[in-house]
Amino acid sequence: QVQLQESGPGLVKPSETLSLTCTVSGGSISDYYWSWIRQPPAKGLEWIGHILYTGSTNYNSSLKSRVTISLDTSKNQFSLKLSSVTAADTAVYYCARHSSAAAVFDPWGQGTLVTVSS
Amino acid sequence: DIQMTQSPSSLSASVGDRVTITCRASQSISTYVNWYQQKPGKAPKVLIYAASSLQSGVPSRFSGTGSGTDFTLTISSLQPEDFATYYCQESYTTPTFGQGTKLEI
Repeated sequence: QVQLQESGPGLVKPSETLSLTCTVSGGSISDYYWSWIRQPPAKGLEWIGHILYTGSTNYNSSLKSRVTISLDTSKNQFSLKLSSVTAADTAVYYCARHSSAAAVFDPWGQGTLVTVSS
Repeated sequence: DIQMTQSPSSLSASVGDRVTITCRASQSISTYVNWYQQKPGKAPKVLIYAASSLQSGVPSRFSGTGSGTDFTLTISSLQPEDFATYYCQESYTTPTFGQGTKLEI
């Protein structure tokens, strides 16, 4: 079955850019939507944005000015870049798959904690 | 943006209890609601999609109802492994999650 795995630095300095990659195994990145979702410590879930296998993207309006999601089909990976980070961006970042824009997120990666601190 | 208001925020219950969690959308969203279960340190897992469809592999004690603005998740007979946090999520527009309901013993 399809598995997702997030990777990237666990510590980012304020004002810098957070960069994460999600590697998809056990299936192709084609024919699906791929999302990033985050969860600050002891808080709820926030959808960041998605990319379709065609490269088309859609972002949460509250983060749109700072977010870029891209795709590398040759590596079966998609990536997140979040610029100008602050402590408020400290969270567990998850990647997840969905089969349509009417998003039912399944499966999810295990999540990776990113801390923003100097 | 659509807001999803979930209640209660926490709930104490016992094994064998019947439990209901509600979610209200700020505007009509048909049946575009999904429910997830999250255990500490783990990613959320989908239980119910499209308001009332049971995800494959999920026990039948979980059920969902609702349409328009009001939705419910019911656990018919709580099992020890059900103590977790539950989230609703609208998929009518850009995905938005409720604040979560922590189900405790």
